[in-house]
Amino acid sequence: DSGVTQTPKHLITATGQRVTLRCSPRSGDLSVYWYQQSLDQGLQFLIQYYNGEERAKGNILERFSAQQFPDLHSELNLSSLELGDSALYFCASSVAPGQGDEQYFGPGTRLTVT
Amino acid sequence: AQSVTQPDIHITVSEGASLELRCNYSYGATPYLFWYVQSPGQGLQLLLKYFSGDTLVQGIKGFEAEFKRSQSSFNLRKPSVHWSDAAEYFCAVAPINYGGSQGNLIFGKGTKLSVKP
Repeated sequence: DSGVTQTPKHLITATGQRVTLRCSPRSGDLSVYWYQQSLDQGLQFLIQYYNGEERAKGNILERFSAQQFPDLHSELNLSSLELGDSALYFCASSVAPGQGDEQYFGPGTRLTVT
Repeated sequence: AQSVTQPDIHITVSEGASLELRCNYSYGATPYLFWYVQSPGQGLQLLLKYFSGDTLVQGIKGFEAEFKRSQSSFNLRKPSVHWSDAAEYFCAVAPINYGGSQGNLIFGKGTKLSVKP
């Protein structure tokens, strides 16, 4: 158990819908990262927050947005869902935001878009 | 562009045999290097990491990795594989950004390890 929690574990929804994925980082970690894992694209970095502020952006679609709240939990919002958005979405956290900091991964949320 | 290549999609080894998983990276400078393992239905767990210094790094579960600058490689090894090592292994780099304020990882496509009894 990494100490990072993600809810829900599974999510099935229809095309065009909007969903919110939630992540609670490990106690004491200030930085949160979101990654998408799909069969064709592999593991891709989406976005990073540190203490409530966006720090880095990867291959995140405009239909996707995220935020980190004052209690440090983070939410990833996915809208106008398409079949290709079906994937495993991981949240990770680290103490500090830098490149050397170990990232602890949650168990993921499996999103299925039908 | 920065990239990580894991040339082997799937490897099968016998229990007790040695293992080497290959990883090559493409980057202008030596990045931070990591190996993660993902068991079925689980998140990723860090096995080991390399930043600088001794090019042979030890990790958890008996794994080690060797950094070779001349080959831009960071191969993962284990002298004797156990059935519980069956999983998917990912090599990752964290590009160095001055100021150290970004920690995103770039992952390889992964190598799936099967272990024969």
